[in-house]
Amino acid sequence: ILNVEQSPQSLHVQEGDSTNFTCSFPSSNFYALHWYRWETAKSPEALFVMTLNGDEKKKGRISATLNTKEGYSYLYIKGSQPEDSATYLCAFIGDNTDKLIFGTGTRLQVFP
Amino acid sequence: DAGITQSPRYKITETGRQVTLMCHQTWSHSYMFWYRQDLGHGLRLIYYSAAADITDKGEVPDGYVVSRSKTENFPLTLESATRSQTSVYFCASSEPEGGYTFGSGTRLTVV
Repeated sequence: ILNVEQSPQSLHVQEGDSTNFTCSFPSSNFYALHWYRWETAKSPEALFVMTLNGDEKKKGRISATLNTKEGYSYLYIKGSQPEDSATYLCAFIGDNTDKLIFGTGTRLQVFP
Repeated sequence: DAGITQSPRYKITETGRQVTLMCHQTWSHSYMFWYRQDLGHGLRLIYYSAAADITDKGEVPDGYVVSRSKTENFPLTLESATRSQTSVYFCASSEPEGGYTFGSGTRLTVV
């Protein structure tokens, strides 16, 4: 059974703070790592699809890094805003499967 | 409109009944997926399909049946609903190397 773990489970920050969270995944048979943003009462939206070790992706104030050799990815949010409040999911896909396995997410709340 | 649509949005059914959740996508994505969302478990894969007429089991397939006779449709059937199948169900589609696009979800309650 593949384990995708995210930490912390939840996070409360003040508006303007920068924050980051971690996704850990199996380092063997890596194919791709996805990040999704999931607002309450909506459906998950894709942020990044990362495939290469050392990859860095950026979308506005959100960025992500990938280390496939040690099996982790970081998601960073610079200058958090209340509209960044959501659950951030990472998901792993191995090279011997076409199934995406999700972590349980980090729930971020940004207070004004 | 282009996108991925799920129906119904909400459904209440009785234990033992058969119920079908519909999923339709307009992008001609080859892959389609069904996930269920439960507290403490996040999103768990029920079934997926790599192309029309090809389906495969996910993590939690028991009690569910899927079919994919056309690329754009991927219905999920609960053959005899149980209370443990009360959940929010999400359908998603993707191309092989792309991010997933999710539907709005179906909230199913089995009483």
